[in-house]
Amino acid sequence: QITLRESGPTLVKPTQTLTLTCTFSGFSLTTSGVGVGWIRQPPGKTLEWLALIYWDDDKRYNPSLRSRLNIAKDTSKNQVVLTMTNLDPVDTATYYCAHSFYYGSGNFDYWGQGTLVTVSS
Amino acid sequence: DIQMTQSPSSLSASVGDRVTITCRASETISTYLNWYQHKPGKAPNLLIYAVSNLQSGVPSRFSGSGSGAHFTLTISSLQPEDSATYYCQQGYSSPRTFGQGTKVE
Repeated sequence: QITLRESGPTLVKPTQTLTLTCTFSGFSLTTSGVGVGWIRQPPGKTLEWLALIYWDDDKRYNPSLRSRLNIAKDTSKNQVVLTMTNLDPVDTATYYCAHSFYYGSGNFDYWGQGTLVTVSS
Repeated sequence: DIQMTQSPSSLSASVGDRVTITCRASETISTYLNWYQHKPGKAPNLLIYAVSNLQSGVPSRFSGSGSGAHFTLTISSLQPEDSATYYCQQGYSSPRTFGQGTKVE
């Protein structure tokens, strides 16, 4: 059974750096083709893909946020960490991590429950 | 970026109705089209992948079709538990992008 769970701060001040951790089980990020991505949803808006890391450490980023994002994996802990710098109130959103495959239709087939991050002074 | 446009943005229907949601991509995306159901406070749930493939555990009243840049999600007989927002998503090119959502009530 594949599960993912996001953790991190719920309140961050503007200009600070956000660090979110995705802890997963039921699969390994050392298995060929496997990836874990981050997607967010601001209140009342649609889903926005942020970043994705694959089993071979290939990293993909949304170009609109590339300069502020970093994604990394710790296979020994079954974790993926997303770092976002220079936060702004517009970054207030529910942040999800999700399982994906390098091959196939580019979908996210298993998601965490999400964590709401509020950016406010 | 590939823009995904859904229509309608919301709809109201009765139990048993046939419901169709349309998703148009700004360019051809082959079969790299997926559909999700999202209920408030819950994780999005993958319904359909690669245009028409039903994800395991998803009821057969959900179906997908289309090609190129025009796709549809159909619910053959709407059930009360289908109240949710539905999103299409393209996996053809980076960045992966989602439609703006269709709220079904």
